[in-house]
Amino acid sequence: AQKITQTQPGMFVQEKEAVTLDCTYDTSDPSYGLFWYKQPSSGEMIFLIYQGSYDQQNATEGRYSLNFQKARKSANLVISASQLGDSAMYFCAMRENTGNQFYFGTGTSLTVIP
Amino acid sequence: GAGVSQSPRYKVAKRGQDVALRCDPISGHVSLFWYQQALGQGPEFLTYFQNEAQLDKSGLPSDRFFAERPEGSVSTLKIQRTQQEDSAVYLCASSLFASGIQSYNEQFFGPGTRLTVL
Repeated sequence: AQKITQTQPGMFVQEKEAVTLDCTYDTSDPSYGLFWYKQPSSGEMIFLIYQGSYDQQNATEGRYSLNFQKARKSANLVISASQLGDSAMYFCAMRENTGNQFYFGTGTSLTVIP
Repeated sequence: GAGVSQSPRYKVAKRGQDVALRCDPISGHVSLFWYQQALGQGPEFLTYFQNEAQLDKSGLPSDRFFAERPEGSVSTLKIQRTQQEDSAVYLCASSLFASGIQSYNEQFFGPGTRLTVL
C-alpha cells in the first residue's frame, strides 16, 4: 500500500485565491510527522510546513496551513492568497518515528493564473 | 554555504560507464539521505547514514549502487555500469538529529544531480 497518496496531478488557482492540495497517508506507527515540500522548476525541495501526529492544533506557517484530520489520515495543505511564485510541484511526505526515511507522494503541480 | 550542496548538477553518461555523485551536507548534521527522483514522480528513498554508519540501504535498486560517508560528512553515491533506467535526479538531504529521536527532524535537501544515461 502507498504510504502517501496525492490524488491531484495538477491544480489551477486564480491569483489571490486560496487552494487546497490533498494528501492522505497510511501508517500504523502512532508517532509520525507529516511534511509539505515545494519543488520549483529549479529542482530544490523547499520545506513549507510540518505537523506532528500528537499535535493538537493544525500547523500554520504564514500563508500555509495544514488541515490535519487524524481519523481520516489526511493532511491537506491550504495555501491562502495565492501568488504567481507559488506555481510549482508540491509534495506531501511522512516520516515514521520508527523509521529512517521520508515517504513522498507523487506530487501535485500547482499553476497560479494571473 | 549554509545549505546542502551537490555536484555535479548535471551528468551525462554513456550506458556502462561508472558515475560518482557528491553530497556536502550541512555542517554538524548527523543524518544523511539519498533519494532518487524519476521524472514526474516523488523522491524515492535509497539509503541513510547516521554519521559514517550506513544504517539503511534498503532502497538501493541493485548492487550497482553503492554509497559511502567515510568521515561522517561528505557522501558519495556511486553507480556502476550505468543503465538507461538509472536516469533520474539524485537528491541528497541532511538532518540535524539521528532518525528515531523525534518525528520532527526536518530534512534539508540539496539541488540534486540530474543524471542522464544515453
